[in-house]
Amino acid sequence: EAQLLESGGGLGQPGGSLRLSCVASGFTFKNYPMTWVRQTPEKGLEWVATISGSGNNTYYQDSVKGRFNISRDNSRNTVFLQMAGLRVEDSARYFCAKCRLGGYYFDSWGRGVLVSVSS
Amino acid sequence: EVVLTQSPDTLSLSPGERATLSCRASHVVSANFVAWYQQRRGQSPILLIYSASLRAAGVPDRFSGSGSGTDFTLTITRVEPEDFAMYYCQQYGGSPPWTFGQGTKVEI
Repeated sequence: EAQLLESGGGLGQPGGSLRLSCVASGFTFKNYPMTWVRQTPEKGLEWVATISGSGNNTYYQDSVKGRFNISRDNSRNTVFLQMAGLRVEDSARYFCAKCRLGGYYFDSWGRGVLVSVSS
Repeated sequence: EVVLTQSPDTLSLSPGERATLSCRASHVVSANFVAWYQQRRGQSPILLIYSASLRAAGVPDRFSGSGSGTDFTLTITRVEPEDFAMYYCQQYGGSPPWTFGQGTKVEI
């Protein structure tokens, strides 16, 4: 059974940076695309970024393009989200999720970490 | 971007009743690539349905999905107490962004 454990959330300042990590277990990590999804009470669930199994391909939501960077270390079964140029509207619970092969939907989710951006 | 609109916002039911949740897309969803998730209060989403009508592993058969093109439906034939939760649809057809609906709350 896949397990995902996020870390790195917390309080960030507008314009500042935070780095989220997600350690995976229970499946062959390098074979699967991984995704970050965020959630707020106001906007609900929002796809943020996805990275292919090899790490060669990345995809971003327009609102984070140029500010966030998704990466992975397959030797450590870990996916990262480097967040820079933080905005108040980036405040959310961020979930790490495993994609199914053959489609960008998500069959395993972590518990999420809270990111709060405030001065 | 494909915008998904779910209806109703809230569905009030008694245990044992049938629940019908709708998800309408602003454009045709390629290959009917629609998934449904359940999210109980304070928990992470759980995959229920993918490719519009295929049940994920371990999902009870009272959950079913249907639809094509722009109109998709999640049906719970007889709602159990543990089914009272939020439900979200998601489309993953074509190029990103992959989008979610705003959710339907199934309440007692």
